[in-house]
Amino acid sequence: GEDVEQSLFLSVREGDSSVINCTYTDSSSTYLYWYKQEPGAGLQLLTYIFSNMDMKQDQRLTVLLNKKDKHLSLRIADTQTGDSAIYFCAERASGGSYIPTFGRGTSLIVHP
Amino acid sequence: NAGVTQTPKFQVLKTGQSMTLQCAQDMNHEYMSWYRQDPGMGLRLIHYSVGAGITDQGEVPNGYNVSRSTTEDFPLRLLSAAPSQTSVYFCASRGTGNTIYFGEGSWLTVV
Repeated sequence: GEDVEQSLFLSVREGDSSVINCTYTDSSSTYLYWYKQEPGAGLQLLTYIFSNMDMKQDQRLTVLLNKKDKHLSLRIADTQTGDSAIYFCAERASGGSYIPTFGRGTSLIVHP
Repeated sequence: NAGVTQTPKFQVLKTGQSMTLQCAQDMNHEYMSWYRQDPGMGLRLIHYSVGAGITDQGEVPNGYNVSRSTTEDFPLRLLSAAPSQTSVYFCASRGTGNTIYFGEGSWLTVV
């Protein structure tokens, strides 16, 4: 099975909250990331969380980490049409090559 | 600050042709990597490098070669292009921090 799993699509109404979920399998994951990819562009780091944290908040973004269940979520409050993009979850273990493993990405569609 | 620069942005190749995707970073990062992105497949690691002179294979290395003669550059070579290599290619780099910087991507079509 995949190391990092995400649902492929999420559709929300403008102004609602969006919650994008991710599960991972590597229990030694040290850093967990959320990246945003807008159409025709590269990936931009949105935020990351250390594995010893439960939550991280940054303006409209809230990241929740349940290390026991290996579950990561990204909540976007007051979702706007400009938030429409593909969101990638990624995890990186300590040691080794330090190369992160990415999920397949969740396409967030925000409609009026 | 240029960050990670990839060239070309778009390329069309005929089956069997060879080409090199260039990647350069000006942040003195040790770690560099190449990914390909295909619909519904997310990002898959092709090759990576942990420093000048050191490269290793990722998840999907077949059909691709890399070299790392300098810290700044990490070119990706397609020796004999195949239609299955039609994809979007991203170069990325990381320093000692936690942020991975991506290039803008290279759209490659093999006909």
